[in-house]
Amino acid sequence: KAGVTQTPRYLIKTRGQQVTLSCSPISGHRSVSWYQQTPGQGLQFLFEYFSETQRNKGNFPGRFSGRQFSNSRSEMNVSTLELGDSALYLCASSPEGGRGDYNSPLHFGNGTRLTVT
Amino acid sequence: AQKITQTQPGMFVQEKEAVTLDCTYDTSDPSYGLFWYKQPSSGEMIFLIYQGSYDQQNATEGRYSLNFQKARKSANLVISASQLGDSAMYFCAMREGRKNRDDKIIFGKGTRLHILP
Repeated sequence: KAGVTQTPRYLIKTRGQQVTLSCSPISGHRSVSWYQQTPGQGLQFLFEYFSETQRNKGNFPGRFSGRQFSNSRSEMNVSTLELGDSALYLCASSPEGGRGDYNSPLHFGNGTRLTVT
Repeated sequence: AQKITQTQPGMFVQEKEAVTLDCTYDTSDPSYGLFWYKQPSSGEMIFLIYQGSYDQQNATEGRYSLNFQKARKSANLVISASQLGDSAMYFCAMREGRKNRDDKIIFGKGTRLHILP
């Protein structure tokens, strides 16, 4: 079974631009979560999608948005990029059956490393 | 609010020795899951082991075991017979089982483990 696939692997953008990151979950997984990882803040939750609906959202500004398609693939968009958005963005999928399914682990992709100059 | 604490920012261990990585958590939810992940320098997050709050026995997966002390809210990871390839960042994570509220997985700050030859 193929793992979680994130594209692209690396991105370099300039301030003010926007960027779209893509994530294909493990086949059969309906939940997709996004995390931002930086040396200073660690792993911070961005949002989670389940069956095309945003189910949870972290404390990030509205410049960060996402969506999920009917095939469970997900995209994350960051508009008006700032230097502080430089980070490793990790996508993870889960085989859970629904909210409250606390025993489902996240399966992560290799991440997209975004550098904003 | 749920919280994960990893008090060891870094550890150095001799190859073939056992190592214990500490993790304490805080939650008021009786239903929750605890997870450990390994992140090598390449960036991918690898799921290692899971422990449910109602599990009577400590979880084991090969060389990994979880020392679960529910009353102390502790979920330490034990790696037996450490190998050079175990050098990585290790994250403890938790997910609550609240069906009607925020149930995202949260992560600790991590422990960087160095295995010495």
